[in-house]
Amino acid sequence: EIVLTQSPATLSLSPGERATLSCRASQSVSSYLAWYQQKPGQAPRLLIYDASNRATGIPARFSGSGSGTDFTLTISSLEPEDFAVYYCQQRSNWPLITFGQGTRLEIK
Amino acid sequence: QVQLVQSGAEVKKPGASVKVSCKASGYTFTSYGISWVRQAPGQGLEWMGWISAYNGNTNYAQKLQGRVTMTTDTSTSTAYMELRSLRSDDTAVYYCARGGSGSYYNVYSHWGQGTLVTVSS
Repeated sequence: EIVLTQSPATLSLSPGERATLSCRASQSVSSYLAWYQQKPGQAPRLLIYDASNRATGIPARFSGSGSGTDFTLTISSLEPEDFAVYYCQQRSNWPLITFGQGTRLEIK
Repeated sequence: QVQLVQSGAEVKKPGASVKVSCKASGYTFTSYGISWVRQAPGQGLEWMGWISAYNGNTNYAQKLQGRVTMTTDTSTSTAYMELRSLRSDDTAVYYCARGGSGSYYNVYSHWGQGTLVTVSS
């Protein structure tokens, strides 16, 4: 099973600041990595797929990068609605889909 | 628009079974598979498995093999997830999710609203 380790566990920032979230895979997942945003009481929402492609309707302030084992989700300038939990997911090792443990982005 | 509407919350005793439904609309049901993902209280996301709505083929997470069954009813565009021999650590919100077309079947662009299953004596 491919283990995804997200860091930091919690990130405290202010609106307008830049957020950088990390996801590291225990072995290469090529570019088969996605990012999701989840707010309390809601289902996850797809942000980024295949490491760097924004999903439909996702604002341009969200961007993804990386390949192999190291990936980054960047939010260029935080809006109030961006404070949530973010998960990465790999689909390289089908059918052994795994998610990271999440990064909580909170208001400082 | 694509919608996945799940059945309501359930409370079950240890050892019982639960069957959660996920009714799809807004697309051709048999053209996409349905995956199930669960989330224990305050915890992360756990992939449970996938079913093809086209031919019923399934893939299950190894830790749930033997306890989980996923099925579909194409006449009603509904997917089902049954979990047996419930334990307290099965308490979670259960989500159905649909991926994209082609090779993006496991990139989850559409999600149900979630179903809380509580296992308690």
